[in-house]
Amino acid sequence: GEDVEQSLFLSVREGDSSVINCTYTDSSSTYLYWYKQEPGAGLQLLTYIFSNMDMKQDQRLTVLLNKKDKHLSLRIADTQTGDSAIYFCAEANQAGTALIFGKGTTLSVSS
Amino acid sequence: GAGVSQTPSNKVTEKGKYVELRCDPISGHTALYWYRQSLGQGPEFLIYFQGTGAADDSGLPNDRFFAVRPEGSVSTLKIQRTERGDSAMYLCASSPGLADTQYFGPGTRLTVL
Repeated sequence: GEDVEQSLFLSVREGDSSVINCTYTDSSSTYLYWYKQEPGAGLQLLTYIFSNMDMKQDQRLTVLLNKKDKHLSLRIADTQTGDSAIYFCAEANQAGTALIFGKGTTLSVSS
Repeated sequence: GAGVSQTPSNKVTEKGKYVELRCDPISGHTALYWYRQSLGQGPEFLIYFQGTGAADDSGLPNDRFFAVRPEGSVSTLKIQRTERGDSAMYLCASSPGLADTQYFGPGTRLTVL
């Protein structure tokens, strides 16, 4: 079945770039997603990438997709303390009826 | 416009009780999803509605869990005979249609004592 793996923690200094990595298993996924979750809150959609793209840039966010290796990454430029949160990578299941999430990467930004 | 809303934001109940959790999707979204998120984990799919019908309920853990969406808008997740293991954040999401981008509500934190 589908599975999504992420590293659990990342610690960076304010102003540095952060790179959060994810691997997934279902090569038929049409879209791949990044969501952000702050403590005690729901999930906020950050960005997504269509599977026929290699890269998508949206202001400080850059998503890279390597379909051959089934690897997805999220780069946050000029990381701020407000970026501290848990970041989830997700792919849709084959039927498109559900998202499969990783366990999330906790990003800690120190000033 | 208004996003997905969920009520209550917090629910504390005792083992064995019945609870209902409500989700109000984004207006016009035909697809609605329920997920459960345990501490330290990613959300796990429970059920998907297309309109009024539960098109995929493969994620419901057992027959104590049930969900309805009678008019194709608001949905209620119902849990009978709650157990301590049901304690989690219950998240609702909606999308314009099947396989479209999902937008999440703030969640209901359920605690079973």
